[in-house]
Amino acid sequence: DQQVKQNSPSLSVQEGRISILNCDYTNSMFDYFLWYKKYPAEGPTFLISISSIKDKNEDGRFTVFLNKSAKHLSLHIVPSQPGDSAVYFCAASGNDYKLSFGAGTTVTVRA
Amino acid sequence: DVKVTQSSRYLVKRTGEKVFLECVQDMDHENMFWYRQDPGLGLRLIYFSYDVKMKEKGDIPEGYSVSREKKERFSLILESASTNQTSMYLCASSPLGTVDQPQHFGDGTRLSIL
Repeated sequence: DQQVKQNSPSLSVQEGRISILNCDYTNSMFDYFLWYKKYPAEGPTFLISISSIKDKNEDGRFTVFLNKSAKHLSLHIVPSQPGDSAVYFCAASGNDYKLSFGAGTTVTVRA
Repeated sequence: DVKVTQSSRYLVKRTGEKVFLECVQDMDHENMFWYRQDPGLGLRLIYFSYDVKMKEKGDIPEGYSVSREKKERFSLILESASTNQTSMYLCASSPLGTVDQPQHFGDGTRLSIL
């Protein structure tokens, strides 16, 4: 059973607008959360992360929000650009090095 | 920059064959991982290793084994390939230390078992 869920398989957004990607998890032992971005024919690349002691982390156009009580995190991309079109994976880990991944959300940024 | 290199981008094998997937990293990382990526399922951990000759099972180890004889190299072995092992295989590495060190991935091997 997947412990990390991304319930939206795809998202289409206009260039310049905000993209919001959502992720839910079930394991209360997770305390570190990451987002990876993947282009076709390439491996996933690390985008941004957040520790459970924080509720927000920002890096340029990317912001991740964590709501521990709801076991929910989200990634905001503002403004969205055509190069942001990719598959985004949410991942989580506990006190070991193993990551549990969601199924991914395919983002398409329209010009 | 960390470089994780997987030996083949595409591989076609037959059922029953023994298949080796190779991965090499150049950043002296202690941890190495093998995942498979399938549509609708994301990435699932097969095996990982935190040191030479050490290995631990991930979430889906059945039908696979691994070998880590040198720190920079981590091999995934399909002992007797089956069609349900057709998938994209991704190798990753990360340094030992705190768990907030992100994993670095190779570009993947798309394996087809006929």
